[in-house]
Amino acid sequence: KQEVTQIPAALSVPEGENLVLNCSFTDSAIYNLQWFRQDPGKGLTSLLLIQSSQREQTSGRLNASLDKSSGRSTLYIAASQPGDSATYLCAVRGTYKYIFGTGTRLKVLA
Amino acid sequence: DGGITQSPKYLFRKEGQNVTLSCEQNLNHDAMYWYRQDPGQGLRLIYYSQIVNDFQKGDIAEGYSVSREKKESFPLTVTSAQKNPTAFYLCASHLQEEAFFGQGTRLTVV
Repeated sequence: KQEVTQIPAALSVPEGENLVLNCSFTDSAIYNLQWFRQDPGKGLTSLLLIQSSQREQTSGRLNASLDKSSGRSTLYIAASQPGDSATYLCAVRGTYKYIFGTGTRLKVLA
Repeated sequence: DGGITQSPKYLFRKEGQNVTLSCEQNLNHDAMYWYRQDPGQGLRLIYYSQIVNDFQKGDIAEGYSVSREKKESFPLTVTSAQKNPTAFYLCASHLQEEAFFGQGTRLTVV
């Protein structure tokens, strides 16, 4: 059974710092991995999608990597800003469904 | 604009009452999903549908029912058999590899 873990559960950093969020999964047989952002009381916003055959994806200040063999993905946020404060979720897709981690709650201090 | 619309945003249910959460999408996606989110837990899959007139139970389907009569619509009914329905409910759809989410419905039992 696929399990997805995100570490740390919470993170507080000063503005401008570069940071890394971690996501690990137990079954490497995945179709893709997707990173989402969730603001309090809101739905999920897709940030980056990495296909199983890809190693990384970039969008602006965000870079996500995928290492299927080790069951790991990282989300790198460069030059963090207070507006980046949110919960970040990763999800892996199996045959028909997505399995989500419990998220990392990020707070960027001005 | 294209997207997923969930309504209502807030819903209150009395003990023993059935309530229906609406999810509509104009993205022309075949697959639609319902998730439940509780504090400190990841998203858990309730039901999913890959095509009109077909749906499957997810990991926590007990006390819930769905229908998929139209491609655009995937309503979720929370029945009186669901003993702990207070949660945040999220609807999603996906096209090929990427998942998209609505803004959620917060259901509270009063």
